[in-house]
Amino acid sequence: EAQVTQNPRYLITVTGKKLTVTCSQNMNHEYMSWYRQDPGLGLRQIYYSMNVEVTDKGDVPEGYKVSRKEKRNFPLILESPSPNQTSLYFCASSFGGLAGSLINEQFFGPGTRLTVL
Amino acid sequence: AQTVTQSQPEMSVQEAETVTLSCTYDTSESDYYLFWYKQPPSRQMILVIRQEAYKQQNATENRFSVNFQKAAKSFSLKISDSQLGDAAMYFCAYRSNFGNEKLTFGTGTRLTIIP
Repeated sequence: EAQVTQNPRYLITVTGKKLTVTCSQNMNHEYMSWYRQDPGLGLRQIYYSMNVEVTDKGDVPEGYKVSRKEKRNFPLILESPSPNQTSLYFCASSFGGLAGSLINEQFFGPGTRLTVL
Repeated sequence: AQTVTQSQPEMSVQEAETVTLSCTYDTSESDYYLFWYKQPPSRQMILVIRQEAYKQQNATENRFSVNFQKAAKSFSLKISDSQLGDAAMYFCAYRSNFGNEKLTFGTGTRLTIIP
């Protein structure tokens, strides 16, 4: 089954304790992205990757890191989480690089609910 | 930078009736995509419908259709014959056809279906 998976789905942690949220897709997608969802703000892009070893900042990158060593994986790293990073996080992927193609639909993972105390 | 505005935080509709959710956007680009996503209580983001800006014909998907007014930068979603399963948060989103494939989302409209 074609899908984007995220782990963990729920996480409660404390300020300053490093954590990683994993994201994996099995569709051979080149493009991957992380979003955070906050009430009243919709979803906002944190980081994105156009391909392996190619990553760039989105709109709200502060406090986050990413890496793209393999095509299928795009982990989100919080080196020193703070309470303002409490949010719902989504990973998304698409084939990318095909301007005008309908198959540029982004597929979303199930979300990770993160609480930082 | 592009912005997407959904001015209706909440809407409700009687089951089997029709409801329209509003969305406006701001961009200086001429080539882009617009989307409506549904987020039910499961939190999964589900693509409902998409519209390519270069197409004049409004997109339709079964009971879902859009009214795309490019000059007015408006992209409303019409749900016909509303069903209980349509209850969800609905997000309007914009995507440029160049560079980063970032989706710029509106703040969402929570739709309630009244039995």
